[in-house]
Amino acid sequence: SQWGEENLQALSIQEGEDVTMNCSYKTYTTVVQWYRQKSGKGPAQLILIRSNEREKRSGRLRATLDTSSQSSSLSITGTLATDTAVYFCATGNSAGNKLTFGIGTRVLVRP
Amino acid sequence: ETAVFQTPNYHVTQVGNEVSFNCKQTLGHDTMYWYKQDSKKLLKIMFSYNNKQLIVNETVPRRFSPQSSDKAHLNLRIKSVEPEDSAVYLCASSHWGGEDTQYFGPGTRLLVL
Repeated sequence: SQWGEENLQALSIQEGEDVTMNCSYKTYTTVVQWYRQKSGKGPAQLILIRSNEREKRSGRLRATLDTSSQSSSLSITGTLATDTAVYFCATGNSAGNKLTFGIGTRVLVRP
Repeated sequence: ETAVFQTPNYHVTQVGNEVSFNCKQTLGHDTMYWYKQDSKKLLKIMFSYNNKQLIVNETVPRRFSPQSSDKAHLNLRIKSVEPEDSAVYLCASSHWGGEDTQYFGPGTRLLVL
């Protein structure tokens, strides 16, 4: 899981497998965003899930949000080698003026 | 398609020098950000501007100063670099603020010798 960990978590999976990564957050937020950062690029948003949503899907992606446990997950089904990246969750603050990013999960998809 | 542009891509300098990084967005967004990403990929916000006004100013050393000429441009100056400033500096923009989707540039990698 992201948050509360000192180091980036790393996962290595075979192409075609599914992967789920988790994120827990400490402060109230109205949104959780998931970003993907490929090598040498800036992060790009994959999915945004609001506090009144429990689940959101986009193609092979599925995000969940549990506000009671302050946790979110991102699942990718049928991974491709091109899914190799670092994945971050990000949450807002009470003032709604910034995002705080988790430490990230490095996913390596082996062809 | 890139809509947040950063220059330079890479910069190597000596301790004590001054450096400036440029960022421009063509998305028509009102808010721009600077983040620092360390070698462990930890991404931390440094500053954000909304329509040329400083909104977020995290605890960063005084040698860092953002400069905004208009809402499409946000530059970052580091007055006297230190070895711990070696990192990737990422610029981002969003339509309005904080919790909105942020669009990132490719980053400027700084190496301080």
